[in-house]
Amino acid sequence: SYELTQPASVSVSPGQTASITCSGDKVGDKYVSWYQQKPGQSPVLVIWQDTRRPSGIPERISGSNSGNVATLTISGTQAMDEADYYCQAWDTRGVFGGGTKLTVL
Amino acid sequence: EVQLVESGGGSVQPGGSLRLSCAASGFTFSSYEMNWVRQAPGKGLEWVSYISSTSTVIHYADSVKGRFTISRDNSKNSLYLQMDSLRVEDTAVYYCAKDVGGHLWPPRGMDVWGQGTTVTVSS
Repeated sequence: SYELTQPASVSVSPGQTASITCSGDKVGDKYVSWYQQKPGQSPVLVIWQDTRRPSGIPERISGSNSGNVATLTISGTQAMDEADYYCQAWDTRGVFGGGTKLTVL
Repeated sequence: EVQLVESGGGSVQPGGSLRLSCAASGFTFSSYEMNWVRQAPGKGLEWVSYISSTSTVIHYADSVKGRFTISRDNSKNSLYLQMDSLRVEDTAVYYCAKDVGGHLWPPRGMDVWGQGTTVTVSS
């Protein structure tokens, strides 16, 4: 079955750029979406179809997808960005990555 | 306001059944594909099932195939998940989630999520 691999944790200083990767076989041929989840809350879509931002998501959050890696990039990281982030794609079934805990130090 | 509200969770013994419901409001429910996604305690998200807007296309995760049944009633703006032969490992918060739209395959993302309903399977 298809798998998506994310780092368990990423740390970043406030104001710096955080990059969270999502690796999968030829993931660049698939559409990837990204979800932010804060403790005790439901997931929130932050990127869909690789690069598209839903309304209300700041421009400093962006996505890319090529080859075997999709990447979520958060520029000018703020304390409010601290959360778990999940990538998701579709093979014959839906697949989520294991999630990455973003810590803003 | 676009909203999804899940209900029907609870505690059940292994082998038992539950039926989850998801009430949709604030959008034309019949025009959108829908999903169920679950999250075990302290774990990540797991996609469970997908249903097209007209119920003609349905997919399940291997972990629930043959035990869970997704359905919808567009006249009632409602999505359902019938869960049979429940196992301890089905314990999770279950979310319903709306597709971004466009009747596209593969889907492009899930843009609206409910608050979740908790299912506990334990003897």
